[in-house]
Amino acid sequence: NAGVTQTPKFQVLKTGQSMTLQCAQDMNHNSMYWYRQDPGMGLRLIYYSASEGTTDKGEVPNGYNVSRLNKREFSLRLESAAPSQTSVYFCASSERGRREVAGANVLTFGAGSRLTVL
Amino acid sequence: AQSVTQLDSQVPVFEEAPVELRCNYSSSVSVYLFWYVQYPNQGLQLLLKYLSGSTLVKGINGFEAEFNKSQTSFHLRKPSVHISDTAEYFCAVKRRDSSYKLIFGSGTRLLVRP
Repeated sequence: NAGVTQTPKFQVLKTGQSMTLQCAQDMNHNSMYWYRQDPGMGLRLIYYSASEGTTDKGEVPNGYNVSRLNKREFSLRLESAAPSQTSVYFCASSERGRREVAGANVLTFGAGSRLTVL
Repeated sequence: AQSVTQLDSQVPVFEEAPVELRCNYSSSVSVYLFWYVQYPNQGLQLLLKYLSGSTLVKGINGFEAEFNKSQTSFHLRKPSVHISDTAEYFCAVKRRDSSYKLIFGSGTRLLVRP
């Protein structure tokens, strides 16, 4: 069982370039998330998708766009990369988080994508 | 809004010694609490969670945490650590409503020395 798969694992961009981080899960989870991890700041939510066809902004959405292509796939796009977007990006998924089933919000994470913007 | 504070950025400890990693949270509503662990070059894995009921929660690898509502804390403990416990540990909080947002603390790096 692959779980959550992210590609690419590493990427170096120049300022102003665009790129898309891909994420796919094979656990039939309804919800998917994109986080960024920066030293001393923990993980911050960029965007999430509660279910197929919906997306919502998280804590730090500026400079990013997302697409929930289908139930399995959730991509993160940087249209014009900036050095401030140098970070490690994590995709995660969870079952539908109904109010009374908090355990369903347990996240399964991918291995991460390390992005450097020069 | 919710927030999570992990005051210790790094905790060095000798193998077989006990350890406590501190977590305090702030929220105007009831929350669920989680501890995740991140081993080097890997994603995060769930260590344990507090949803309701007993305030002492046991997780994987011998870890446990105690929810203290009056002190708004959820400290993680292990009576005897191993070298393999070296990792970064994240405390996280989620509102008990329809929000999907999981808010993470800044993390504590546990460094176990032989």
